Amino acid sequence: EPEVTQTPSHQVTQMGQEVILRCVPISNHLYFYWYRQILGQKVEFLVSFYNNEISEKSEIFDDQFSVERPDGSNFTLKIRSTKLEDSAMYFCASSTRQGVWQPQHFGDGTRLSIL
Amino acid sequence: AQSVSQHNHHVILSEAASLELGCNYSYGGTVNLFWYVQYPGQHLQLLLKYFSGDPLVKGIKGFEAEFIKSKFSFNLRKPSVQWSDTAEYFCAVICMEYGNKLVFGAGTILRVKS
Repeated sequence: EPEVTQTPSHQVTQMGQEVILRCVPISNHLYFYWYRQILGQKVEFLVSFYNNEISEKSEIFDDQFSVERPDGSNFTLKIRSTKLEDSAMYFCASSTRQGVWQPQHFGDGTRLSIL
Repeated sequence: AQSVSQHNHHVILSEAASLELGCNYSYGGTVNLFWYVQYPGQHLQLLLKYFSGDPLVKGIKGFEAEFIKSKFSFNLRKPSVQWSDTAEYFCAVICMEYGNKLVFGAGTILRVKS
């Protein structure tokens, strides 16, 4: 079964540094998402992306965050100047729509630790 | 705002015991409902989904869930759990009028004792 892949599995970064989290969605999927889970808290929606633009974003997704699909396969989340509270597990997901919405498939996640 | 409540944060069962994990959501419109499972060290995997039709849905690994619209509930059940069902279970909802984002519950950690 095709999978969503995320790299790296663990990223450690100094506060204030930029970080890029990478995702390769399932190849025939057209909708892409980022979620995060702060330790001990719920999985929270960050952003959805379709047709090379953001289709929806949460209030968490402020100006420090950006997403990009730089080529036909990768989907990236950039945090421009990381803060301690950005430490979390970040999940990428993808889905398609075939008349009705199809379930989102998730990657293994990237654990981001901000020091 | 839409929200999802999972009734128990930790559940411990012996093998062969029956399982029911509660899930309630707060939204009056059209919903799609999901249960995801996360085994230790692995990614979120879809267990089952409800979009429309028969409110009793069957998923993988012997799991099923029942959508009761009047109770805003989507409880997960399994008649007889196995040690390999030890995992964290997440209920999630898509509120159709608010796009395709998943709203997750806090998760229930299930530990099955062998």
